[in-house]
Amino acid sequence: DTAVSQTPKYLVTQMGNDKSIKCEQNLGHDTMYWYKQDSKKFLKIMFSYNNKELIINETVPNRFSPKSPDKAHLNLHINSLELGDSAVYFCASSQDLGQGAGEQYFGPGTRLTVT
Amino acid sequence: AQKITQTQPGMFVQEKEAVTLDCTYDTSDQSYGLFWYKQPSSGEMIFLIYQGSYDEQNATEGRYSLNFQKARKSANLVISASQLGDSAMYFCAMRGDSGGTSYGKLTFGQGTILTVHP
Repeated sequence: DTAVSQTPKYLVTQMGNDKSIKCEQNLGHDTMYWYKQDSKKFLKIMFSYNNKELIINETVPNRFSPKSPDKAHLNLHINSLELGDSAVYFCASSQDLGQGAGEQYFGPGTRLTVT
Repeated sequence: AQKITQTQPGMFVQEKEAVTLDCTYDTSDQSYGLFWYKQPSSGEMIFLIYQGSYDEQNATEGRYSLNFQKARKSANLVISASQLGDSAMYFCAMRGDSGGTSYGKLTFGQGTILTVHP
């Protein structure tokens, strides 16, 4: 069974559209994250939820809105897509926010291409 | 604020030899965690090894070891007996554990591309 899954794996869309990426983890973790990896492979955190509560909200345009319906799911909705939103988006989860080894397990990534 | 620096954009190693990937960090946190992740060409992020800032011994996981030098703020990854399958991008990352703005989030370095030659 996949520990952290994301759908879709690839997403091609036009500027101005609204799209969502879904993430689910079956590890029983309390904390979930969204990261963005740009074309230069640089990874940066966007959001983190702990027990469905927003904990980390980096300087991300408010066109990006995370939603956590329960501890196992964290979705990312993006409004009015722009060319610069093209990237790979990774979902991740960990047992705790910042204790011990608590490594973050990453999903396979969603490659978003905005044309 | 936290900062991770990986100064080696690319590294080459012969199969079966050892290789060291450099990582230095900067943080004002008293407590923090250091991580290494591997990203093969297929794109997934694979956790390799963790070192806590208060751990006195260097972490080891199979062929991976983390050379942690706290005073120098370095956390180099050593891969012993390199294999062709080790060819990938390697990321060093830090997580703040002391609360504050860096609490819980991973800050990544720029990555190092490792190529293992047969």
